[in-house]
Amino acid sequence: GAVVSQHPSRVICKSGTSVKIECRSLDFQATTMFWYRQFPKQSLMLMATSNEGSKATYEQGVEKDKFLINHASLTLSTLTVTSAHPEDSSFYICSARDNGRIGYTFGSGTRLTVV
Amino acid sequence: DAKTTQPTSMDCAEGRAANLPCNHSTISGNEYVYWYRQIHSQGPQYIIHGLKNNETNEMASLIITEDRKSSTLILPHATLRDTAVYYCIASTQGGSEKLVFGKGTKLTVNP
Repeated sequence: GAVVSQHPSRVICKSGTSVKIECRSLDFQATTMFWYRQFPKQSLMLMATSNEGSKATYEQGVEKDKFLINHASLTLSTLTVTSAHPEDSSFYICSARDNGRIGYTFGSGTRLTVV
Repeated sequence: DAKTTQPTSMDCAEGRAANLPCNHSTISGNEYVYWYRQIHSQGPQYIIHGLKNNETNEMASLIITEDRKSSTLILPHATLRDTAVYYCIASTQGGSEKLVFGKGTKLTVNP
């Protein structure tokens, strides 16, 4: 139980285009999901907290107009990287918590490459 | 969240116990110690957590000092598949509590 599915696992896009990443909780409902970014050889950096039915909360230094987060249902949060640039190339990971379980469950991550 | 400090890297021989230390001297009374690990190019995986008492599950054991200022994660019989970055995080158990990752310890299990 407590599975989080993230899609796509890999995506390559052209500079200036937008990319949407989906994060789904498959067997539980998640009112809160989290989005992280990870650059090579670095730790996970929290980008934002996604709240079902309300606006996301962004960490300091993360541009909310560039990284659009939508959490329209209790099982789905999306992160859209708008007007992507090569410096946005990174590993993006989502997580959620099943309130009936211990700990947070993470998706398998999305490798974004902007060319 | 309380800040945690961990060694940057450790090595362990396959089949031996791996003991990974973590300092969390500013941990507050309602914060748990969580351990996660991240195998290369995957999402982190929950391992174990504890508040005061030592804990054991099918993956590992967690030893927390009496003053709660430090802890040790023990993998009793490390395998090559345990090679990963291990993160120690202090956090409350609130459903919307965010997890903030430090740099973790890169554990390499050698044959």
